[in-house]
Amino acid sequence: EPEVTQTPSHQVTQMGQEVILRCVPISNHLYFYWYRQILGQKVEFLVSFYNNEISEKSEIFDDQFSVERPDGSNFTLKIRSTKLEDSAMYFCASSEIADTQYFGPGTRLTVL
Amino acid sequence: GESVGLHLPTLSVQEGDNSIINCAYSNSASDYFIWYKQESGKGPQFIIDIRSNMDKRQGQRVTVLLNKTVKHLSLQIAATQPGDSAVYFCAETPITDKLIFGTGTRLQVFP
Repeated sequence: EPEVTQTPSHQVTQMGQEVILRCVPISNHLYFYWYRQILGQKVEFLVSFYNNEISEKSEIFDDQFSVERPDGSNFTLKIRSTKLEDSAMYFCASSEIADTQYFGPGTRLTVL
Repeated sequence: GESVGLHLPTLSVQEGDNSIINCAYSNSASDYFIWYKQESGKGPQFIIDIRSNMDKRQGQRVTVLLNKTVKHLSLQIAATQPGDSAVYFCAETPITDKLIFGTGTRLQVFP
């Protein structure tokens, strides 16, 4: 069964450093998303992406965040200058026709 | 505003019993609802979905009920098994396709 994959599974970084989280969505899906989950809290929407552009973004997704689909298979989330409060699980999701979203296993980001 | 909330933070059931997990939503414009299961250290796993033009949908051992009058969603798990132990989230999509998640209910299954 096809699934969304994410790398790395755990990323540790120093405050102020740039990080890139990588995702490989399900191959025939056209809609891509990033969500985050701070420990013990609910999953929060960050951004949606379709046709090589951002469809919608939350207020969390400020100028420090960016997304990119550099090739036909990868979807990345970049945080330019990480802050302590960026520590969370980051989930990538994809869907075929903007309905059911399938999630990856997540990347745990720890900012020290 | 947009909010999805769960009534019970923890539900404990005996193996073999049926489980009912509830969720309240506040956005009447939401037209699509999904239940996700999240095991420790893993991403949300799709369980079942329902559109607003339906009030009931059944899957394998799971049933989702939607009551639009009172903005209530429930997930019923038949013959609950130890492998069902996880946190369950309901999520809604008001107007756009972004998911708004509830706070989650932890289901504990005892032998």
